[in-house]
Amino acid sequence: QVQLQESGPGLVKPSETLSLTCTVSGDSVGSDSRYWTWIRQPPGKGLEWIGYISYSGNTNYSPSLKSRVSISLDTAKNQFSLKLSSVTAADTAVYYCARYAVRQFDYWGQGTLVTVSS
Amino acid sequence: QSALTQPASVSGSPGQSITISCTGTSSDVGGYNYVSWYQQLPDKAPKVIIYDVSNRPSGVSYRFSGSKSGNTASLTISGLQAEDEADYYCSSHTTSGTWVFGGGTKLTVL
Repeated sequence: QVQLQESGPGLVKPSETLSLTCTVSGDSVGSDSRYWTWIRQPPGKGLEWIGYISYSGNTNYSPSLKSRVSISLDTAKNQFSLKLSSVTAADTAVYYCARYAVRQFDYWGQGTLVTVSS
Repeated sequence: QSALTQPASVSGSPGQSITISCTGTSSDVGGYNYVSWYQQLPDKAPKVIIYDVSNRPSGVSYRFSGSKSGNTASLTISGLQAEDEADYYCSSHTTSGTWVFGGGTKLTVL
């Protein structure tokens, strides 16, 4: 059974960098045709796709966040990570990591709330 | 890229059918058959219920079905049940190689 688990600080100060890690079990982040994705959901609002890193290390990001986002892969630890710089209150959200395979986001983490506040 | 357009809310009585629309452009919904739908129960992570416009993953009820015409995809839920009350999101691949979600639709079972 594939499982994903987000981890990282729940509180980040404005202008600092948000850093989260997703630990994957039951699958390998280096497996063919996998796209390891970050998605967020501000409180009471809809889902927003942030970006992905592929099994081969290629990345693609939302145009609205591209200048501030970086996603990386650690095959040794079977993890992938998100960094979002220069955060503001608008970046307060539940952050989900998810696997995209067979043309669907088929496995999701439980989500982690990150609050941006001083 | 702009979010796909969904109605904010829909409602129906048990046993009825409802349809949720998802409107995009030729750069996303209209350009690919890579539309998927997700059900999100309160305080839970989303769960895929439809992929490739109309395919159901294993274990998803036959009461959920999907279709597409032009730039608009649709999710139909037949034989509404109380347990279907949730938020529903569509998603599509885009010509930029990114993905985009709809704004979400809250389904109320009366």
